Order: sequence, then structure tokens, then C-alpha cells
Amino acid sequence: AQSVTQLGSHVSVSEGALVLLRCNYSSSVPPYLFWYVQYPNQGLQLLLKYTTGATLVKGINGFEAEFKKSETSFHLTKPSAHMSDAAEYFCAVSGDWDSNYQLIWGAGTKLIIKP
Amino acid sequence: GAVVSQHPSWVICKSGTSVKIECRSLDFQATTMFWYRQFPKQSLMLMATSNEGSKATYEQGVEKDKFLINHASLTLSTLTVTSAHPEDSSFYICSARDSLGANSPLHFGNGTRLTVT
Repeated sequence: AQSVTQLGSHVSVSEGALVLLRCNYSSSVPPYLFWYVQYPNQGLQLLLKYTTGATLVKGINGFEAEFKKSETSFHLTKPSAHMSDAAEYFCAVSGDWDSNYQLIWGAGTKLIIKP
Repeated sequence: GAVVSQHPSWVICKSGTSVKIECRSLDFQATTMFWYRQFPKQSLMLMATSNEGSKATYEQGVEKDKFLINHASLTLSTLTVTSAHPEDSSFYICSARDSLGANSPLHFGNGTRLTVT
């Protein structure tokens, strides 16, 4: 079975500072991994995904994530935080075919940007 | 591409009434849609998987008769909260894939904020 752990329910960084949101996963099969962002009272928007190939994946809004199999991690980073990055971020891994590949979600990390 | 439209974005209803939420895939066909519920400051909780032309698959603990799901076409799934009570107040979100496979991301509607008074 798959599972996702996001370390830190809240992460606070200063504007212009590095953003690092942590995600560790557990999967019995090669994982497909996703990061989503949710702004208040809205649905979720895909930031980036890892399926196969290059382990460093780039997404929208300047975010990127690196798949590290040995560490079972898929941490999300952005070199310089912007006020508009303040939101909730969710990491997810695809479930099995018998679950219609539903996504298994982390608990989410709220990113707070300090001016 | 791959837009999911959810309506209404918010609704207030009285206790005991029913509320229908629509989820449409605008530019793709979705044989499967997922319905989530999200409590404040929490992650998404999968309620059910909606399959076009067949019965929905509900997650453990979700009342089928309370949350009626209909997926009558490849572009429309509806969630009806029947005999709503204040504890049903929540944020409901639908999602769908535009292609099959585990590597295909989910596309989300903007959610529906339900408040039952």
C-alpha cells in the first residue's frame, strides 16, 4: 500500500528566501508522485509530477522537485519565495489500479511568507 | 486544456433539505471522477469514486444514501447531499483524469462550500 508523509504542517519563510517543503512516500511499486497547491476556498492545481525519466522535475510558478528513490523523498523547492506562494501544498502518490489509481494524499503543508 | 467545472461554488441550505453539486469535465471525457470532502485545515478525504454508467464506489464510513452520486454521462457527475444537517457543512471537491493510467494527474474543480443552517 502507498502512503505519503509531509513533514511540517506549517512552514514559514521570508520573501525571497528558499522554500523547502518535505514529502516522503511509501510505495510497493515504482511511484508516480505529484505536488498540488491549494489557495483558500479553491480546488487544487497541479504544480508538477514525476512519472519516469529525469528525477528533477520542474513545475509551474518556479517550483521544482527531485525524486530520490534511495531516500523515498520528493521534496518541493523554490529558490526565492514570493508573497503569492502563500498557500497549502499537498504531496500525493498514485494508488494501485484496483483503486482506479486514486491519489494517496499527504496531510498538507501550509506555506507562510513573511514580508 | 483539462478543465473541470464545479457548480455551485458555495451554497447555504436549511437543515433537512437536499443539495446537488455538479461536476463537469469541459474539454475531455471522464469515465471516472472522484469526490472529496475537506474539513478546515485538513487534507482531502476521498468520499467516493464515480464511474460513468455504473454505481459509485464509496469509501468506508461514507453513507451511500446520504451522499448520492450519479455519473450519467462522460462529462457530468453529480453529488447530492440528502437531508442535509449542520455536520454535513464542509468543502466538497470533485476531480477527474483526462486520460487513463496512474501517471495521469487529477484535474480539480474549484470546490463547493456547503453550509447547512
